[in-house]
Amino acid sequence: DAGITQSPRHKVTETGTPVTLRCHQTENHRYMYWYRQDPGHGLRLIHYSYGVKDTDKGEVSDGYSVSRSKTEDFLLTLESATSSQTSVYFCAISSSGGASYNEQFFGPGTRLTVL
Amino acid sequence: QKEVEQDPGPLSVPEGAIVSLNCTYSNSAFQYFMWYRQYSRKGPELLMYTYSSGNKEDGRFTAQVDKSSKYISLFIRDSQPSDSATYLCAINTGTASKLTFGTGTRLQVTL
Repeated sequence: DAGITQSPRHKVTETGTPVTLRCHQTENHRYMYWYRQDPGHGLRLIHYSYGVKDTDKGEVSDGYSVSRSKTEDFLLTLESATSSQTSVYFCAISSSGGASYNEQFFGPGTRLTVL
Repeated sequence: QKEVEQDPGPLSVPEGAIVSLNCTYSNSAFQYFMWYRQYSRKGPELLMYTYSSGNKEDGRFTAQVDKSSKYISLFIRDSQPSDSATYLCAINTGTASKLTFGTGTRLQVTL
């Protein structure tokens, strides 16, 4: 497995509370991504990073923020969790960008339940 | 129209069957197409990729792209119970290697 860990792996929280998910990589890859996976929607990109302190929005970024202060860590924050954010969250990494073949390696996922 | 569409299944086949999994896409400019496999409660992992049109074979797996009809396929020959998983097609849509995924097709291979 590519060296990607996610923490926590499972979390149950209440509506309105802040939540931070962490993705940590040991591969020194430049690009990092946060996805959510829901039945009927597949994997959808939330935010991505193309370098330290360089981030951009994906297709479902509302209600989420990210930060990347080190190459190896990419944090996803739900400022005020809602039930619609109950999902499985995956982090992915890639060594290079562009409209070409660049494999994305995925972490094990975090199951988040917002009550 | 979604950029990538995929039949969610589920698809159940007997061991040894040939499986065909398919996706359609909307933008003829896309050139890099991938298939990921995802076992239950695991992260997706890359199975195969193809560039532009044509076929690519790897063991029991064949990936095929038909750019004229904007159709991509994954064929699995001599399917095994260990092939039971969700298969997601993905397209590299441009900068930063952003991928757009299909919804995934759940496959079950029965003994």
